[in-house]
Amino acid sequence: EADIYQTPRYLVIGTGKKITLECSQTMGHDKMYWYQQDPGMELHLIHYSYGVNSTEKGDLSSESTVSRIRTEHFPLTLESARPSHTSQYLCASSEDGRGYEQYFGPGTRLTVT
Amino acid sequence: GDSVTQMEGPVTLSEEAFLTINCTYTATGYPSLFWYVQYPGEGLQLLLKATKADDKGSNKGFEATYRKETTSFHLEKGSVQVSDSAVYFCALSRTGSARQLTFGSGTQLTVLP
Repeated sequence: EADIYQTPRYLVIGTGKKITLECSQTMGHDKMYWYQQDPGMELHLIHYSYGVNSTEKGDLSSESTVSRIRTEHFPLTLESARPSHTSQYLCASSEDGRGYEQYFGPGTRLTVT
Repeated sequence: GDSVTQMEGPVTLSEEAFLTINCTYTATGYPSLFWYVQYPGEGLQLLLKATKADDKGSNKGFEATYRKETTSFHLEKGSVQVSDSAVYFCALSRTGSARQLTFGSGTQLTVLP
């Protein structure tokens, strides 16, 4: 069983608030990812990291930011939440190499009112 | 660039029916191929994978064969159950690809009793 955790699972927050979505993994994986999943189910990569102090933007432009100060921790921050940020956010991690699957957390469902 | 095309859903079947979800891909080199499943309210879980041509991945009665000549990785199950109702994602991983996984758009499966 994969050990990757996301908190909170559900969050309802007002416009303009700063929020941080937490993601932690205990597998020692160097690579970590954030995806945004729209109601049509499609997954969009918004951030990824190769390791500590390494972060890159993904395919979908996002107003969120990420940090990777520790191997096991990859938080995502929105400085000022807006209704357009309402979505499901999924965190994942993997070992290096093409045959290694990504392990996903349970997700955070964010609603901005 | 890399891409994955999945059969559009939603797919609705009766219990014990045969399931096929088509997946084709475009990628240079020799990617690894994956099927992920997402149950309601959860993150993605790896269902099966294949890392080279003609490999067959299998798990929980599901199977998929890596066909390089047709660039396909179709998911099949001989007799579906109500508990198989979920969203299924086909994905590929290619050596040297920074994002590591490219996902299809997902196929919603509903199995009726």
